[in-house]
This record gives sequence, structure tokens and C-alpha cells, in this order.
Amino acid sequence: EVQLLESGGGLVQPGGSLRLSCAASGFTFSSYAMSWVRQAPGKGLEWVSVVSNSGDYTYYADSVKGRFTISRDNSKNTLYLQMNSLRAEDTAVYYCATSTQWEQFDYWGQGTLVTVSS
Amino acid sequence: QLVLTQSPSASASLGASVKLTCTLSSGHSSYAIAWHQQQPEKGPRYLMKLNSDGSHIKGDGIPDRFSGSSSGAERYLTISSLQSEDEADYYCQTWGTDFWLFGGGTKLTVL
Repeated sequence: EVQLLESGGGLVQPGGSLRLSCAASGFTFSSYAMSWVRQAPGKGLEWVSVVSNSGDYTYYADSVKGRFTISRDNSKNTLYLQMNSLRAEDTAVYYCATSTQWEQFDYWGQGTLVTVSS
Repeated sequence: QLVLTQSPSASASLGASVKLTCTLSSGHSSYAIAWHQQQPEKGPRYLMKLNSDGSHIKGDGIPDRFSGSSSGAERYLTISSLQSEDEADYYCQTWGTDFWLFGGGTKLTVL
């Protein structure tokens, strides 16, 4: 059974930093691209970033480019999102998701809440 | 610019069928999409990938009650024999070389 477990969310002040993790199990982690998707309170889904299966390629939404960094450790079956210079508008539940063939999101985690507030 | 448009809300009666629509912006009618379901207070769940010719591949364990179809720039999700647990938000999603995009979502109410 595929399982994705996010962690690392919490309350952080504007301008602060936070690192999210996503522990994967039940599939060959190193074979799948992985993404972060977020959902602001009461709003829809927004793609944030993707990393290729090897980690060689990364892409970001314009809203986070230059502030967030996605990475992965295939030896630990773990995906990361380093978030710097956080803003109030980054407040959201952050989900990790698998991305088969660089297309649809096949499996989702349960999410971790990030709140940016003073 | 690629945009996915969904109606904000839909409703149908228990046991009935409902057809949700996702419309691709002009010039993008060949794009495949995916449908995702998000039940209240839960993470999203992948339902299916839907191609422009109407062929679709469903995710693990998705019941036969869920089906997809296409017509031009429109992508449809049909849910038959509606159950209470189908009350959820439904999102369409597409992708390019270096971007992924969601529609605004449709909130389905089962009466």
C-alpha cells in the first residue's frame, strides 16, 4: 500500500523558514517524480514544485520561485521542501504527491499545515 | 494561457447520476486531464486520467460508478448511483513540460 506521510508544519513568523518532509513507503520511491501541492484555508489546490525521480530536475510555481527548494533523498525514501522568506500567503496545508510519467498526481499524502503569522 | 474552468457547485440526489465538467481554455482542447476527489477534511484522492478521445485510466480501487468522457475542450466526470460519501470537492488537473495546473474545483452536494 502506498503511503505518504508529511511532517514539519507549524506556526512560523513572516520572513521565517520551515522544512517539510514527506516519508514514502509501499512503492519504489526512486522511480517516481514527486510534487508538493498546497491548499490555502477554504481555497483550491495549487501546485508548488516538482522534482524528477533522480533529483536532477526541479521546477517551481512562480509564487514560490527563489524562496522554496525541493529535494529528495532516495536512500531514505523522503521528499523535502525547504521554505524560506515565508509570507502570510504561504499559509496552507501542504501535500506531497507522486507524479507518474510527469503527468497526473497518482497518490497523495494527508498534508501538513503551515501557518505564517506574527 | 492554459486555464481549467469548473463550475463552483453541483448537486444531485442520492442514487442519481451527476456529470461534472472541466473546460480547457481555447487552443488547448487536445490536453489530457486528471480528476481528483477531496472529501471533507481529507487529502485529495486520484480518480482517473482522462484523454481527449475519452479514454481513461482509473486509479487504484476507484469504483465503476466513476467514469470519464470528453468532447472538444470539455472533460467530464460522471458519477452514477450517488452515495453520501461522494459529497466532496472535485478538481480537474492538467500539466505541461514544467508546470501543473488545477481547476478551481466543484463542490458536489448529495441531496
